[in-house]
Amino acid sequence: NAGVTQTPKFQVLKTGQSMTLQCAQDMNHNSMYWYRQDPGMGLRLIYYSASEGTTDKGEVPNGYNVSRLNKREFSLRLESAAPSQTSVYFCASKEHQSSYEQYFGPGTRLTVT
Amino acid sequence: KNEVEQSPQNLTAQEGEFITINCSYSVGISALHWLQQHPGGGIVSLFMLSSGKKKHGRLIATINIQEKHSSLHITASHPRDSAVYICAVRSRGTDKLIFGTGTRLQVFP
Repeated sequence: NAGVTQTPKFQVLKTGQSMTLQCAQDMNHNSMYWYRQDPGMGLRLIYYSASEGTTDKGEVPNGYNVSRLNKREFSLRLESAAPSQTSVYFCASKEHQSSYEQYFGPGTRLTVT
Repeated sequence: KNEVEQSPQNLTAQEGEFITINCSYSVGISALHWLQQHPGGGIVSLFMLSSGKKKHGRLIATINIQEKHSSLHITASHPRDSAVYICAVRSRGTDKLIFGTGTRLQVFP
């Protein structure tokens, strides 16, 4: 089992460019999450998908969109990147929304210049 | 004021020392998690607690629900324990995780 995988690991974008961060899990989990991690701050929830076919905003959704493509995959899209979106992005999954254990991907380090 | 506060922010220790990292929270919770983030960036779950104490190897986690406080202890610390330790609470009712800012631990030989 690969667990939670994310691509790419690193990305540099210019302001205004778009990109999609990919996340996949092979644990048959229902719930998936996107977080961002910034220096001096705790991880913050961007969007989540409680189950296939549903997505909801988290704490910091502005500037992002998500797609729950199927049960395995949950992508995060930046339509027009801004320097404020420079961050490390983590995808996570858990079996159900009410489950306790959450599994994290390795992260994507994004720099917007 | 953050809903989850960790102390200290940074901690250095000599190999073999006993380490304590503290976490205080201000919201009602259904569970508290301790996570470890290694320099490579990956995050792994160490403990999930809703009461009492848990032990895994040299790591011990305790929680006092009445005082809204948890501690993570590392006995006989080793340089491979160097990492960022993150406290996160599961908010009662929303099931969302609220994260602390982390404690950066460096253990020197």
